[in-house]
Amino acid sequence: DAMVIQNPRYQVTQFGKPVTLSCSQTLNHNVMYWYQQKSSQAPKLLFHYYDKDFNNEADTPDNFQSRRPNTSFCFLDIRSPGLGDAAMYLCATSRGGTGTQPQHFGDGTRLSIL
Amino acid sequence: SQQGEEDPQALSIQEGENATMNCSYKTSINNLQWYRQNSGRGLVHLILIRSNEREKHSGRLRVTLDTSKKSSSLLITASRAADTASYFCATASSGNTGKLIFGQGTTLQVKP
Repeated sequence: DAMVIQNPRYQVTQFGKPVTLSCSQTLNHNVMYWYQQKSSQAPKLLFHYYDKDFNNEADTPDNFQSRRPNTSFCFLDIRSPGLGDAAMYLCATSRGGTGTQPQHFGDGTRLSIL
Repeated sequence: SQQGEEDPQALSIQEGENATMNCSYKTSINNLQWYRQNSGRGLVHLILIRSNEREKHSGRLRVTLDTSKKSSSLLITASRAADTASYFCATASSGNTGKLIFGQGTTLQVKP
């Protein structure tokens, strides 16, 4: 089945130690999104790629960066994680970037900071 | 800024009963979408309703949209224990870039 896969499902890192989360998709969608979701809160968009074009949300901390080497893969890099970055990170894809199509989500990576 | 607000925040019902969740938003929209999230999992798309539509059905789900009141409702009929999840509305603005703004969600518990 076509899907969005996030690895790992659980990630533990130390305060200040860089961490990379990965997302892959077999849907061949041209748009990929990264969301941060804290407990009992709504998902918050960090950034998205429309093909190779990177779009950063104004309030996304500089600590967060992303790479999309090809259509299928997208990475979230957190350069120096702080305790406040502990959250679920969700990757999603859509066909087209006009918001007229549903988004397809992976099961997320739950990040813990020690 | 938060676009969607949902009501109630939490809802507990018995299996077989209907569940209604409401969503209000602030600005003009292109469409409104409802998603379900099971505990510890990603979001699953349920229904998309466009701004020129008033009602949409999918199986046991019924969504209404009132653009004059900037509100939407999700009705789940004949609920099952497997419907236990959080439900989020999300809006895509007119002239948007594909960005969805999610509401805070309604946590639904269906007791067997």
